[in-house]
Amino acid sequence: DQQVKQNSPSLSVQEGRISILNCDYTNSMFDYFLWYKKYPAEGPTFLISISSIKDKNEDGRFTVFLNKSAKHLSLHIVPSQPGDSAVYFCAASGKSGGSNYKLTFGKGTLLTVNP
Amino acid sequence: NAGVTQTPKFQVLKTGQSMTLQCAQDMNHNSMYWYRQDPGMGLRLIYYSASEGTTDKGEVPNGYNVSRLNKREFSLRLESAAPSQTSVYFCASRTRALGGQPQHFGDGTRLSIL
Repeated sequence: DQQVKQNSPSLSVQEGRISILNCDYTNSMFDYFLWYKKYPAEGPTFLISISSIKDKNEDGRFTVFLNKSAKHLSLHIVPSQPGDSAVYFCAASGKSGGSNYKLTFGKGTLLTVNP
Repeated sequence: NAGVTQTPKFQVLKTGQSMTLQCAQDMNHNSMYWYRQDPGMGLRLIYYSASEGTTDKGEVPNGYNVSRLNKREFSLRLESAAPSQTSVYFCASRTRALGGQPQHFGDGTRLSIL
């Protein structure tokens, strides 16, 4: 049972426009959400996170929005740049056994930003 | 400025062979993780070590063993490799296994089992 879902396998946008990547989750016990970016032949790199007690977190061109009632979060990239082309993973953090937190990842969305 | 280092980067094995994937971090992190990534799938947790001296199973532990050798090193062993274990393996670490602490990933080991 997939607890973190990224329903769009791919997204294509024009340079300078907004990219919106979506993520849904089913476990209401998740209390942190993170976005990672991954280039081919490299490991994922951390991009931005949000606590479940907030509804928005912003870092430069990247903003993450959280809608707890809908169990939905989104990553906005404005303006999009060709270097943003990568696979974006949504991940949720929750306790699993005792006090340890583990990350549960979605399947990823391939973003292509066209010049 | 190494971060998380994985060795080897590529490996081809025959079914039934054994292999150990190595991972080392130089960030003084307490928690370390092993994931596998398959086409069309996200990263799935194999095993993790919340702190030195402890290891726990993740989502897909069957066919694997791990050793937290010291605070820096966390190895993943395939005792008898199977074609279903063909995958890209990522090691990650973070300060502690708490809340929203981000994990830092290595660049992966691409493993093919024939």
